[in-house]
This record gives sequence, structure tokens and C-alpha cells, in this order.
Amino acid sequence: DQQVKQNSPSLSVQEGRISILNCDYTNSMFDYFLWYKKYPAEGPTFLISISSIKDKNEDGRFTVFLNKSAKHLSLHIVPSQPGDSAVYFCAASKHNAGNMLTFGGGTRLMVKP
Amino acid sequence: GAGVSQTPSNKVTEKGKYVELRCDPISGHTALYWYRQSLGQGPEFLIYFQGTGAADDSGLPNDRFFAVRPEGSVSTLKIQRTERGDSAVYLCASSPNGGNEQFFGPGTRLTVL
Repeated sequence: DQQVKQNSPSLSVQEGRISILNCDYTNSMFDYFLWYKKYPAEGPTFLISISSIKDKNEDGRFTVFLNKSAKHLSLHIVPSQPGDSAVYFCAASKHNAGNMLTFGGGTRLMVKP
Repeated sequence: GAGVSQTPSNKVTEKGKYVELRCDPISGHTALYWYRQSLGQGPEFLIYFQGTGAADDSGLPNDRFFAVRPEGSVSTLKIQRTERGDSAVYLCASSPNGGNEQFFGPGTRLTVL
């Protein structure tokens, strides 16, 4: 069973508008969540993270929101830029499990100029 | 500084052959992870090293898969009697002291014919 799910395989957004990528998880033991960005033929690159003791973390154009009761997190990118076009992976970890990451299936974001 | 490097970048082999995939982590990173990413999916955890020892190998799919990290730096993932279903991108990541943020290499694309 998939413990981390990204239900939207793709998302298309106009340049300058907000991109919202969603992620759901089922395992209540997860206590740290990360977003990775991946370009073709490259490895995933860390983008932003959030601990389960917080509900929001912001870094420039990127904000991650965590709703623990709903087991849901989202990544907001505003304003979106064409260079943001990539596949975005949501990942979760348990602090006492060596921090191995459990990934969602990814969402391909396309930002149109 | 140098990131995580993986060799080869591409490997094509025939069913039943043995392959070795190499990972060179970021200098000083004690934790090293192997993941496997099949087409259209997110990376899946295989094995985690802390120093020279495998702290968690619960993600290895079967006993054809084995990994070593003899000196606590470079790691080799070994696959015996390869099968077509082993075709995937094999990703390596490292982190300082098993911290939450993992730094990924570009991956090795394995194709089993």
C-alpha cells in the first residue's frame, strides 16, 4: 500500500500565477516531510521541508503547509516561473527509522510563459 | 564542493548477468541510502548505511540484491542474476549523520534486456 500519495500526476499553470501541489499520507508515525524537485536525467534536489511540530514553513517563493489531522501537505509556489517546470516529489520520514524517505509518485508541473 | 556521484550513468545488461553500481557520497557524510525509481513512480527505499554497516536493508526486494560500504565512504550495489523487472533508475543519496535532508546523485539507469 502506498503510504505517501500524490493524486495529481500533472499540473499546468500560467507564469506568474500560484502553483499548488498536494500530497496525502497514511502513516501517522511520519514526523518530517520534504519536497524534492527533479529535472530529467538528474537526481532529486531538496526544495523545502517541514517538521510535524509546525504547520507552515516558508522559503522565498516556496511555502509548505502541513495539516496533521487531515494527513495532508501542500507546496505553494508563487509566483510560478517557467524554470519551476519539473517533477515534484513529496517525501516523508520517521525520525527514529534512520530517516529513510518514503516518496509519493510525483507531480509533473508545467509553467507556461 | 562535489556532490554525490554515481557510475556508470547507464548500464545495459542481459537477463541473468551480474551488475555492480557504484556510489561516491559527499565527503564526510556518514549516512548513505540506495533507492530505486521505476518509470512513472517515486523513488523506493532499498538500503541505508550508517558508516560501514547496513542499518536498514528492509527495502531490498530479494536476496539477489546486496550492497556494501567497506570503508564507510563509497558504496556498491550488487545485483545477481538480473531480471527484466530490475530495469529502473538506481539512486544513491547521502546525508551528514543521517539527517533529514538527503542529497541525491544523478542515478544509474539500468536496462535488463
